[in-house]
Amino acid sequence: NAGVMQNPRHLVRRRGQEARLRCSPMKGHSHVYWYRQLPEEGLKFMVYLQKENIIDESGMPKERFSAEFPKEGPSILRIQQVVRGDSAAYFCASSPLGYQPQHFGDGTRLSIL
Amino acid sequence: AQTVTQSQPEMSVQEAETVTLSCTYDTSESNYYLFWYKQPPSRQMILVIRQEAYKQQNATENRFSVNFQKAAKSFSLKISDSQLGDTAMYFCAFFLSNTGNQFYFGTGTSLTVIP
Repeated sequence: NAGVMQNPRHLVRRRGQEARLRCSPMKGHSHVYWYRQLPEEGLKFMVYLQKENIIDESGMPKERFSAEFPKEGPSILRIQQVVRGDSAAYFCASSPLGYQPQHFGDGTRLSIL
Repeated sequence: AQTVTQSQPEMSVQEAETVTLSCTYDTSESNYYLFWYKQPPSRQMILVIRQEAYKQQNATENRFSVNFQKAAKSFSLKISDSQLGDTAMYFCAFFLSNTGNQFYFGTGTSLTVIP
């Protein structure tokens, strides 16, 4: 049973470009969460999605960041016009139901040149 | 709001010895989970151990055990017979039962096992 799959593992972008991070939840999981880990820090919650719905985006920056979880396909975290401060590891997690602890993917390390 | 505090940024231990990592948390809720995650240089988040707050018995997983003091809101991790592969960042995390939708993480403790 495959775990949470994130790709790419590493992503390099130049300032001003767009970054797209993908997450396929575990089989049978319809709840997806995104976390960000800045250097030397713990993971911080960004957004919680169910299929086609954003449930809680209280941790996501208001500008340049967006997330979706379409009916078909992976969840996408999109960062527009990236800046150096966006360099971080972005983790996706999933759960079969809401209000349950989540299983983590291996993360995407985003580097901004 | 929930907060998790890890007051030891760095620790080291001799191989085969025992080390304890500290974690305290703050919440007004009574039903929750507590976790320890290990993050090696590969940056994966690996679940080490999990404790349900309603359980009085401390969780154990092979060489890893916890000392859960609910009244004191303390959740320390003990690693026995430390191995070189235990070298990693260790994060304490909190999750609310029934109403929670996110983990709250501490800032981590960097553990180095010395051969």
